[in-house]
Amino acid sequence: AQKVTQAQTEISVVEKEDVTLDCVYETRDTTYYLFWYKQPPSGELVFLIRRNSFDEQNEISGRYSWNFQKSTSSFNFTITASQVVDSAVYFCALTFPGAGSYQLTFGKGTKLSVIP
Amino acid sequence: DGGITQSPKYLFRKEGQNVTLSCEQNLNHDAMYWYRQDPGQGLRLIYYSQIVNDFQKGDIAEGYSVSREKKESFPLTVTSAQKNPTAFYLCASSIWPGASTDTQYFGPGTRLTVL
Repeated sequence: AQKVTQAQTEISVVEKEDVTLDCVYETRDTTYYLFWYKQPPSGELVFLIRRNSFDEQNEISGRYSWNFQKSTSSFNFTITASQVVDSAVYFCALTFPGAGSYQLTFGKGTKLSVIP
Repeated sequence: DGGITQSPKYLFRKEGQNVTLSCEQNLNHDAMYWYRQDPGQGLRLIYYSQIVNDFQKGDIAEGYSVSREKKESFPLTVTSAQKNPTAFYLCASSIWPGASTDTQYFGPGTRLTVL
């Protein structure tokens, strides 16, 4: 069975601080895909990144960076110099090319509040 | 602009009534999905469809029904059999499940409240 754990339920930081959101996953599959989505107060889930299990390179996109470590089954997300617009709920998700569904297994999310 | 639209944004239902949530996409995606989100929870899959006229149950399909008569449309009906229908419902689509570049993109959601 697949499982995604986001142990941090809520995080508050002051603007311009760096913040890391943790994601730990469980899967028996050797091929899988990891995602991060952002859900602002409006409710729509916004896709941020997709990572394949065979690609452990870290990725940076502007103030966002992702650290994928298969050895610890983690896919952590860091926001550098946080801004108020980063306030949202962030979800980590997992899927795998089996069972025919390709459904996403989501963590419960981390609510990030950036205080001006 | 390409995207996914859901309507209505807010929906109120009396107990015992069926209601239908609309989901339309103009991304030319083959696969479509319905998720339910409860407060403080992640998303859970209700139904998904990989192709027109075909759909499969997800983890929590009881009390829901769907149809896929057109590629662009995947409406969800919340029936009176659904015991706790108050939730936020999100529709998603992807090019084709399993494609190396496949990613699910989400609509803005419909918030359903049972009175």
